[in-house]
Amino acid sequence: AQSVTQLDSQVPVFEEAPVELRCNYSSSVSVYLFWYVQYPNQGLQLLLKYLSGSTLVKGINGFEAEFNKSQTSFHLRKPSVHISDTAEYFCAVSDLRDDKIIFGKGTRLHILP
Amino acid sequence: DAMVIQNPRYQVTQFGKPVTLSCSQTLNHNVMYWYQQKSSQAPKLLFHYYDKDFNNEADTPDNFQSRRPNTSFCFLDIRSPGLGDAAMYLCATSRAAQSNQPQHFGDGTRLSIL
Repeated sequence: AQSVTQLDSQVPVFEEAPVELRCNYSSSVSVYLFWYVQYPNQGLQLLLKYLSGSTLVKGINGFEAEFNKSQTSFHLRKPSVHISDTAEYFCAVSDLRDDKIIFGKGTRLHILP
Repeated sequence: DAMVIQNPRYQVTQFGKPVTLSCSQTLNHNVMYWYQQKSSQAPKLLFHYYDKDFNNEADTPDNFQSRRPNTSFCFLDIRSPGLGDAAMYLCATSRAAQSNQPQHFGDGTRLSIL
């Protein structure tokens, strides 16, 4: 069965600094990968997804992620964060065998002024 | 705008008193999901409908039921809420039951148990 690991439960970063949120997955078959963002008291919103093709995926709000098959990683990056990026970020994986998405435990991004 | 709408946003009920949460969608998606999310945790899938086909997760308590009377609406019924059922409940939809389809979420209903 597939699984997702987000090693960092919280990441503090200064405003306008770059950030990387780490995500590793395990699966014995080809996977689809997603990053979702959850702002306080809201549902999850899709940031970006990797289905196939180019390993560098660009999403909304200036975020991007890179699929690395050899390292089974899909880390999320942003070159310069803003206070409005304060949220919980969830990495998720699904594969061809299943119609469900497995979510990681989430990483809370704290933007410091 | 097409969207997923959950009502109410906040629900308070008494221990053991049945409660129903509702979800509607204007996306005309075939699949609807219910998730339970406790504080600082990942969403946990309770069940999903592919059209009218109901799919229950193995570890979803019997206390939780769901109804989907038509494409647009889906309900979560908690027959006898316990203190451990206090959580955010998220409804989501996807166009098809395929693993490459992203899910579209409502803003959730936060359930409190007195």
